Amino acid sequence: GAGVSQSPRYKVAKRGQDVALRCDPISGHVSLFWYQQALGQGPEFLTYFQNEAQLDKSGLPSDRFFAERPEGSVSTLKIQRTQQEDSAVYLCACGPGVGETQYFGPGTRLLVL
Amino acid sequence: AQSVSQHNHHVILSEAASLELGCNYSYGGTVNLFWYVQYPGQHLQLLLKYFSGDPLVKGIKGFEAEFIKSKFSFNLRKPSVQWSDTAEYFCAVNAYNNDMRFGAGTRLTVKP
Repeated sequence: GAGVSQSPRYKVAKRGQDVALRCDPISGHVSLFWYQQALGQGPEFLTYFQNEAQLDKSGLPSDRFFAERPEGSVSTLKIQRTQQEDSAVYLCACGPGVGETQYFGPGTRLLVL
Repeated sequence: AQSVSQHNHHVILSEAASLELGCNYSYGGTVNLFWYVQYPGQHLQLLLKYFSGDPLVKGIKGFEAEFIKSKFSFNLRKPSVQWSDTAEYFCAVNAYNNDMRFGAGTRLTVKP
């Protein structure tokens, strides 16, 4: 496609529920990033893939967060046993290489009740 | 790791006023610098970037930014803002390691 797509756009979850957020990057972009953006804040880095390899997951806030990109294209961010503090917009971005411009998707707005 | 500071949380201007949004970063090495913009209801998009060369870079919609290495700054400017520039502006720094750090953002409101 022409840009990065994310689904769902909105997700309401009950506390304790597991959620899965999907990212479809731009075709051919080897780098893929996940960010968490709280209200009134800038995006905070969560994790980074180069192709299918997860090279950095230092930003994941707890072991309840898990990301994968098994075929080097689509990526899924999974949050287990969601908590209220997980409520945020989750952004996916991709890029053609290291240190290059990142292209962002529209985000998934997660609300945990 | 690098960090980014945006000094202004919310800026309100009238149309045709000049704009300057501050951005400072902390990192001693070589960096790539970016300004992203998020219009209401839209996703983040690149406004301009600096990788190397002329420290004065021009972006879309009449925006420009100047990299001053000695001040660790990358301020965004526009000589005459329009109502359509109302948006949130984010400065970002990447130290060649794909660890992109964003500032907290500056919300710009332009009054018609």
